[in-house]
Amino acid sequence: KAGVTQTPRYLIKTRGQQVTLSCSPISGHRSVSWYQQTPGQGLQFLFEYFSETQRNKGNFPGRFSGRQFSNSRSEMNVSTLELGDSALYLCASSLALGGQETQYFGPGTRLLVL
Amino acid sequence: AQSVTQLDSHVSVSEGTPVLLRCNYSSSYSPSLFWYVQHPNKGLQLLLKYTSAATLVKGINGFEAEFKKSETSFHLTKPSAHMSDAAEYFCVVRGGGGSQGNLIFGKGTKLSVKP
Repeated sequence: KAGVTQTPRYLIKTRGQQVTLSCSPISGHRSVSWYQQTPGQGLQFLFEYFSETQRNKGNFPGRFSGRQFSNSRSEMNVSTLELGDSALYLCASSLALGGQETQYFGPGTRLLVL
Repeated sequence: AQSVTQLDSHVSVSEGTPVLLRCNYSSSYSPSLFWYVQHPNKGLQLLLKYTSAATLVKGINGFEAEFKKSETSFHLTKPSAHMSDAAEYFCVVRGGGGSQGNLIFGKGTKLSVKP
């Protein structure tokens, strides 16, 4: 079974631009979560989607948004990029929500904002 | 609120010696706990998870962890380190209640393995 895939793997943008990252979950998985990883803040939860609905959201500004499609693929969007948005963005998928479900992570998209 | 604290930011061992990575958790109810590993420029890989079935949890690559409720600890161990174990390790707790879905990560422990 193919793992979680994320595209693109690397991205360079300038301040003020917007960016869209894509995540394809493991086949059959219906929950997709997004995390931001930076050297200073570590790994932080962004949001989680299940059945095309956002179920949970972390403490990030409204510039960060996401969505999930009927095939469970997910996208996240960051508008008006700031230098501090430079990070590794990780997507994870699981069969269902919460509890004892294991989240399987993709390789990440590394975003550099200049 | 749920949280985890990894007690060491960096651990260095020699190849063939035991590994101990320490993690304490805070949870208002029975937690779901995980250890993930991240090799350089790679995503996160699940090593093992605790889900209250057994306090001693065996994972991949010879790692195991013991859940100790009285000490609120979930330390990761391996009897004999291998060079390929050099990576960053994250202790993780599942959020609960309204935030049941998201994972809460510790700051990470970088494991170095000397030949």
